[in-house]
Amino acid sequence: SQTIHQWPATLVQPVGSPLSLECTVEGTSNPNLYWYRQAAGRGLQLLFYSVGIGQISSEVPQNLSASRPQDRQFILSSKKLLLSDSGFYLCACPLENYNEQFFGPGTRLTVL
Amino acid sequence: RKEVEQDPGPFNVPEGATVAFNCTYSNSASQSFFWYRQDCRKEPKLLMSVYSSGNEDGRFTAQLNRASQYISLLIRDSKLSDSATYLCVVNEDSGYALNFGKGTSLLVTP
Repeated sequence: SQTIHQWPATLVQPVGSPLSLECTVEGTSNPNLYWYRQAAGRGLQLLFYSVGIGQISSEVPQNLSASRPQDRQFILSSKKLLLSDSGFYLCACPLENYNEQFFGPGTRLTVL
Repeated sequence: RKEVEQDPGPFNVPEGATVAFNCTYSNSASQSFFWYRQDCRKEPKLLMSVYSSGNEDGRFTAQLNRASQYISLLIRDSKLSDSATYLCVVNEDSGYALNFGKGTSLLVTP
């Protein structure tokens, strides 16, 4: 069964500071990985997805970027955080039938 | 992306009650449908998939109406542990990412 590790679990950062969130996945043969954000009062929003090493697709224009340096590693970054970047960041991978998704424990980011 | 709409609630019900949530989706080409459960400050977890013929898992029953483009979740004999936010989720392209509603909050009280 799949396991997703995300760290840190909680992060408080000042506006303008950089960001790096990591996600690693175990126990899946499906190469697809996803980053979602859940902001206060909003539904989960897909930020990026990756179908393999070095391949990143962005869903919405924003202050964030993503990278896939290894097959089982997905990184979310920012050079300068904005207040609007606050939220709950979730990494996900498909379950075996490709339609359902399994989420990691998430990183709760507060930008002050 | 097309919309997935849910009544945000909150739904406050006593233990043992039956409660139903509805969800509508705007993309008629949507292929897969799910209900996820999200506890406070936790990640969403798959509750059940929703099939065209309807499906049941213990106290939970999910139904899909493609013609009207809505999905429902029925919870019978509510337990305190059912208190959570229930997310309606639609997959518009197989293998692609999911489209989430904002969730319906349920509070089951003693």
